[in-house]
Amino acid sequence: GAVVSQHPSRVICKSGTSVKIECRSLDFQATTMFWYRQFPKQSLMLMATSNEGSKATYEQGVEKDKFLINHASLTLSTLTVTSAHPEDSSFYICSARDLKAGSSTDTQYFGPGTRLTVL
Amino acid sequence: KQEVTQIPAALSVPEGENLVLNCSFTDSAIYNLQWFRQDPGKGLTSLLLIQSSQREQTSGRLNASLDKSSGRSTLYIAASQPGDSATYLCAVRTPGYALNFGKGTSLLVTP
Repeated sequence: GAVVSQHPSRVICKSGTSVKIECRSLDFQATTMFWYRQFPKQSLMLMATSNEGSKATYEQGVEKDKFLINHASLTLSTLTVTSAHPEDSSFYICSARDLKAGSSTDTQYFGPGTRLTVL
Repeated sequence: KQEVTQIPAALSVPEGENLVLNCSFTDSAIYNLQWFRQDPGKGLTSLLLIQSSQREQTSGRLNASLDKSSGRSTLYIAASQPGDSATYLCAVRTPGYALNFGKGTSLLVTP
């Protein structure tokens, strides 16, 4: 099946610094990628939808200036957490949409997640 | 706004038992419903995907059903094993292509 990778898998940073997380679709082109956040014992919450070559669409309550998303190519989207604070500590998961030509259905494939800890 | 609820929140069963996990959603206008498995600190593993036009899907010991009109889905796990211990997430895909997730059912299968 299709593979989505994330890098890094785990990052610890000091408060006030910025952290970049990469999401790559390894064997398919993803015109749309999604970024989710999961707090302990909570479900995944959609943060934003990233479309290649255009601005991301953010969910209500998600600060677009704090969570910068770039989707510059069909296989790569990045999430940058700017001026990170301890409350940003969470598990960040991306997914990529694989829409096959001629198909009426499409599937999302999830990355393995990135554990961010802000001290 | 689509709301997805999973019951129970946690479940502990002895090995060998058959069990049912429940998922309900508030808006029946869905494209599909997907069940995932998540191990502690890990990403998601897709188990079964049911398109809105389908009633059920099966994979090995897993069977998922979908009743779109009533907003319900069940995941049936037969002959549970300790390796099945994980959190099971139900997610509904609605227009816009993002997935709406439930909070999950934490399953523990004891030897």
